Amino acid sequence: SAVISQKPSRDICQRGTSLTIQCQVDSQVTMMFWYRQQPGQSLTLIATANQGSEATYESGFVIDKFPISRPNLTFSTLTVSNMSPEDSSIYLCSVVAYPGQVHTEAFFGQGTRLTVV
Amino acid sequence: GENVEQHPSTLSVQEGDSAVIKCTYSDSASNYFPWYKQELGKGPQLIIDIRSNVGEKKDQRIAVTLNKTAKHFSLHITETQPEDSAVYFCAASILTGGGNKLTFGTGTQLKVEL
Repeated sequence: SAVISQKPSRDICQRGTSLTIQCQVDSQVTMMFWYRQQPGQSLTLIATANQGSEATYESGFVIDKFPISRPNLTFSTLTVSNMSPEDSSIYLCSVVAYPGQVHTEAFFGQGTRLTVV
Repeated sequence: GENVEQHPSTLSVQEGDSAVIKCTYSDSASNYFPWYKQELGKGPQLIIDIRSNVGEKKDQRIAVTLNKTAKHFSLHITETQPEDSAVYFCAASILTGGGNKLTFGTGTQLKVEL
């Protein structure tokens, strides 16, 4: 499995500010995803990070609020913009599929615990 | 879209007993069903998965069963140990060339008591 590093691991932010979360993988991966896990809740897919093009967002999530970049096969960022206390969650990076493979398992980073005050 | 329901939300067992967690899914096109274990402060860890072309898969003390007709799948943990205490999530997806977008269940808090 890939080693997935997320930064920061946690942060406390003021409302109205933005935070960029980084996801670095130790090997090239085809697919990268961003999930949100609200306190005590399950995981919800935010978007698919597409290399070299705009991310594909799930219903209820928009680019202006959660801009995503993916400049190469090993790195992606998620920005949480104009934060409010409702954005307090764990944000998780997930990677799937390696070059040369069609289907494989989804692995997760350790998450970024965000608290908005 | 896919909807995954998971039961129970909490489960307490005595060490050495078995634990069973059940999930149902709504989309008959789903063909991949992983289970994740999440310990406090950590990301989800894949523990076992099953694809729709098999009915059962086992890995040491952990097994998963799948009933495609009824659209439900279950996680079975035998000889539970305190280190099995965690939150367990089931998930479902349709594996395609576009990747693996998971729809998660609501989670089960498993507590193994000494």
